[in-house]
Amino acid sequence: DVRLVESGGGLIQPGRSLRLSCTTSGFTFSDYPMSWFRQAPGKGLEWVGFIRIKSYGATTESAASVKGRFTISRDDSKSAAYLNMSSLKVEDTAVYFCSRGVSTFDRWGQGTLVTVSS
Amino acid sequence: QSVLTQPPSVSAAPGQKVTVSCSGSSSNIGSNYVSWYRQFPGTAPKLLIYDDFRRPSGIPDRFSGSKSGTSVTLGITGLQTGDEADYYCGTWDSGLRAVVFGGGTKLTVL
Repeated sequence: DVRLVESGGGLIQPGRSLRLSCTTSGFTFSDYPMSWFRQAPGKGLEWVGFIRIKSYGATTESAASVKGRFTISRDDSKSAAYLNMSSLKVEDTAVYFCSRGVSTFDRWGQGTLVTVSS
Repeated sequence: QSVLTQPPSVSAAPGQKVTVSCSGSSSNIGSNYVSWYRQFPGTAPKLLIYDDFRRPSGIPDRFSGSKSGTSVTLGITGLQTGDEADYYCGTWDSGLRAVVFGGGTKLTVL
């Protein structure tokens, strides 16, 4: 059974850094690119970025709103993807989801809440 | 302001059919496949339609997708109260080099 589980969210002060993890099981992780999304309270879905598979250089694409502050990485040996967030702003407050894929997202985690507040 | 445009809400009676529209431009819908997602409050999105009209296994044929130019439409027949949710269209935008979504459409089954 395919499973994605996000972790690492919580309350964090503006300007600080936080790393989210997406641990997976039930599929060959190294065969899939992975994406991150977020959803601010009461708002719609927003793409954060994705990371390609190793054979494509594990390169990343990111949304303009997070470029230079957020980075995505992966560890195929742990079947996990990561979202490293720095210089956090109040407007980064959202539920963060990881998902499998880069254009069609067929499996999602349950999300982890990040609250940026002083 | 979302790159893709969806109506904020639609409604229909149980058993009826409803359509949800999603319009974009040549750099997104017009040149890339579109997916549709359903999201219940407090839960993760779920893939309903991909590649404009294809259904993942387990998605009933009550759900359909179509495309015409720079617009796509999600159709749901035989509406059930359990279909009340938010529906999002999404695709890649070749100009922005980003995944873009519509603002979401809240479906109410009256």
